[in-house]
Amino acid sequence: GESVGLHLPTLSVQEGDNSIINCAYSNSASDYFIWYKQESGKGPQFIIDIRSNMDKRQGQRVTVLLNKTVKHLSLQIAATQPGDSAVYFCAENPNYGGSQGNLIFGKGTKLSVKP
Amino acid sequence: EAGVTQFPSHSVIEKGQTVTLRCDPISGHDNLYWYRRVMGKEIKFLLHFVKESKQDESGMPNNRFLAERTGGTYSTLKVQPAELEDSGVYFCASSLRGTHNTEAFFGQGTRLTVV
Repeated sequence: GESVGLHLPTLSVQEGDNSIINCAYSNSASDYFIWYKQESGKGPQFIIDIRSNMDKRQGQRVTVLLNKTVKHLSLQIAATQPGDSAVYFCAENPNYGGSQGNLIFGKGTKLSVKP
Repeated sequence: EAGVTQFPSHSVIEKGQTVTLRCDPISGHDNLYWYRRVMGKEIKFLLHFVKESKQDESGMPNNRFLAERTGGTYSTLKVQPAELEDSGVYFCASSLRGTHNTEAFFGQGTRLTVV
């Protein structure tokens, strides 16, 4: 969802449940997308990426889904753990050509995992 | 292997003063990026170096900001004179050049507060 002012959208899940974090991206010409995780006091950490010629990509406990028709990206985390608590950002790269650069970040979603 | 390191981690300065932020990328990474996140806003791209050359500086807000990467190793971002709206967290990231889907590694950020 959209954030207003200082408030980030927050998703609260029970430990062990699956989490789904959604993101709407802005540029229909973007052809490369990344999910980042940011823990308090740290910089964004790469989780998983996907190119526009794919609609799904799986990693370890994470899956990214891409719907180009509606410009929507989602991150699914299986069996969510307390260590997954963080702010999650989607990012798009409209200049994909071999390396990431000039990323456009979403506003972020705060994931809280209840033990 | 050392990650991307940024210095200082925090800086509090008065309006009108000068501040210089430093970023040491991962050794061997040709690409170096600066981003910033001001309160309540998304992480925004500032500029991109390839070695010592500015590849893209379209995100630099105004001429009070000067980035350098002499010798293609570490980079500095100077703000002179600083204004209140410059407060935020400044991130640096680096990545390899010449390979597909090269992951950008972020530093922990420098939190700048202008009072």
